[in-house]
Amino acid sequence: EVQLVESGGGLVQPGRSLRLSCAASGFTFDDYAMHWVRQAPGKGLEWVSRVSWNGVNTEYADSVKGRFTISRDNAKNSLYLQMNSLRADDTALYYCAKDRIYGGSHTISFDYWGHGTRVTVSS
Amino acid sequence: DIVMTQTPLSLSVTPGQPASMSCKSSQSLLHRDGKTYLYWYLQKPGQSPQLLIYEVSSRFSGVPDRFIGSGSGTDFTLKISRVEAEDVGVYYCMQGTHLPTFGGGTKVEIK
Repeated sequence: EVQLVESGGGLVQPGRSLRLSCAASGFTFDDYAMHWVRQAPGKGLEWVSRVSWNGVNTEYADSVKGRFTISRDNAKNSLYLQMNSLRADDTALYYCAKDRIYGGSHTISFDYWGHGTRVTVSS
Repeated sequence: DIVMTQTPLSLSVTPGQPASMSCKSSQSLLHRDGKTYLYWYLQKPGQSPQLLIYEVSSRFSGVPDRFIGSGSGTDFTLKISRVEAEDVGVYYCMQGTHLPTFGGGTKVEIK
């Protein structure tokens, strides 16, 4: 059974940093790209970032480019999101999601999601 | 960015009756590889989203056959042939042909 467990969320002041983690199990982690997707309170879904299976290639939504960094440690079956220069509009539930395609793809889709970790940016 | 527009915002359905919802994209979702990367997700109350349909019309593992996806180009539809109580939640379409974007969602409730 695929399991994705996020952690690291919390209350942080604007301009500060936070690092999210996602522990993966139930599948061969280094066979798949991984993603972060967020959902602001009462709002819809927004894709945030992708990292390739080997950690070499990354992509970001324009809203976080230059502030967030995605990474992974395949030896630890873990995904990370380093969030710097946080703003109020980064407040959201952050989901870790597994890519649907074995080995990665030129397109993006997700088949399994974690339960999310909540980030609140407020003074 | 490709804008995904879902209608209606909400649906109230009697169990056993059909339901249908629409998703329109601001640009064609036909990829140069010949595939169309349109997905449907269901977010049940208090849960994370779950994949229902991939590439317009293919049901994900374990998804009941009452969920039917169709469409092409910029216009897509998700139909539930006979709504059950467990189908309540918010349905999101998402395009993966370009950097992914989601529709605003259609909320399905039971009468």
